Amino acid sequence: DQQVKQNSPSLSVQEGRISILNCDYTNSMFDYFLWYKKYPAEGPTFLISISSIKDKNEDGRFTVFLNKSAKHLSLHIVPSQPGDSAVYFCAASTETSGSRLTFGEGTQLTVNP
Amino acid sequence: EPEVTQTPSHQVTQMGQEVILRCVPISNHLYFYWYRQILGQKVEFLVSFYNNEISEKSEIFDDQFSVERPDGSNFTLKIRSTKLEDSAMYFCASTKWGGETQYFGPGTRLLVL
Repeated sequence: DQQVKQNSPSLSVQEGRISILNCDYTNSMFDYFLWYKKYPAEGPTFLISISSIKDKNEDGRFTVFLNKSAKHLSLHIVPSQPGDSAVYFCAASTETSGSRLTFGEGTQLTVNP
Repeated sequence: EPEVTQTPSHQVTQMGQEVILRCVPISNHLYFYWYRQILGQKVEFLVSFYNNEISEKSEIFDDQFSVERPDGSNFTLKIRSTKLEDSAMYFCASTKWGGETQYFGPGTRLLVL
């Protein structure tokens, strides 16, 4: 099942710089996208989401961009902090109540002090 | 802040034994989900549950699996006869009616020997 793909298994950035995490999808029925952050031995924690009617959503240091024509979304974290080090999952669903989430493989972000 | 809770945090069982994983979703949420993550793999959808019945299930969710909401607060996943390949982290999630953001519990690590 490759409907949601995160091609970079890992990303390393310096504290204070921008982190950009990428995600591609193939299913054109997806119209709601979420980013989750996960620490080892914990559940995914919701970060930010975007509906397909928008191309950008911002919440503090986190911004998600959606390019529907390219079926691509990205998460920008700026400035990056060492506490942001975690695995970041992209997930997608159809905007129907109760719809399942389809996850990407995850990207391990490491923010170096 | 309300959160999804799961018990136990860890469970070790022998192949062929039955296990019940428990979840307490967020109190005003109406949609409930189970996902699992086998070590090194993606988070995978198992089943969604609404209005006391399964609304969607994946191909993974075969006859060995069942879900139940035995009372007003708990949501359980039963695996009738565990196999080695059932070893995984199992996550419960919930969302409110009309909402698309799923909130996850901390997970239960199941090890089948």
